Amino acid sequence: RKEVEQDPGPFNVPEGATVAFNCTYSNSASQSFFWYRQDCRKEPKLLMSVYSSGNEDGRFTAQLNRASQYISLLIRDSKLSDSATYLCVVNLDPNDYKLSFGAGTTVTVRA
Amino acid sequence: EAGVTQFPSHSVIEKGQTVTLRCDPISGHDNLYWYRRVMGKEIKFLLHFVKESKQDESGMPNNRFLAERTGGTYSTLKVQPAELEDSGVYFCASSQGRGRGTDTQYFGPGTRLTVL
Repeated sequence: RKEVEQDPGPFNVPEGATVAFNCTYSNSASQSFFWYRQDCRKEPKLLMSVYSSGNEDGRFTAQLNRASQYISLLIRDSKLSDSATYLCVVNLDPNDYKLSFGAGTTVTVRA
Repeated sequence: EAGVTQFPSHSVIEKGQTVTLRCDPISGHDNLYWYRRVMGKEIKFLLHFVKESKQDESGMPNNRFLAERTGGTYSTLKVQPAELEDSGVYFCASSQGRGRGTDTQYFGPGTRLTVL
């Protein structure tokens, strides 16, 4: 089983639609969770951290479900500029600093 | 504020040759990390420096890879001799905090290495 597993997609949605996808992680002791965005041939950029109570940043909402060991990302009112690969990133061991990455979920927003 | 920079952006070398990648972290960031993505796989951790000290190099694939961070500023990652399976994108990241999992890691643009 992979340490961080994501639905690869691709999700192909029209502008204005809502899209959501999940990521599961292997270590129940994990404490830090992130969503990074990566555009084609660019570096990963932090989209948002994921907090226990769930959090929202504009059109983006992240949720954490510790019991089932998954996090989710929901994008409302999709824009063309949201087209990217979204990376689920977890610090699996709270005693260290290594980030473990999922393979990414590809989202394409069409006009 | 300047971000993490990496040099070169691309490198094409032949099997058996040596390549050195460079990373300049964000100024003031004590923590520097190397990651890589090989074709079709997810990004994987290679190693972590705190200032000039190697904190963890558990992700380094083998002894053909040597990372240094003399003076605690920029870092180099040398691959010698390069093999075909070393091809991929090598990312550097830095963070300001105590190197814990809650720190935000900022990534550089990566070096795309192709070994022929």
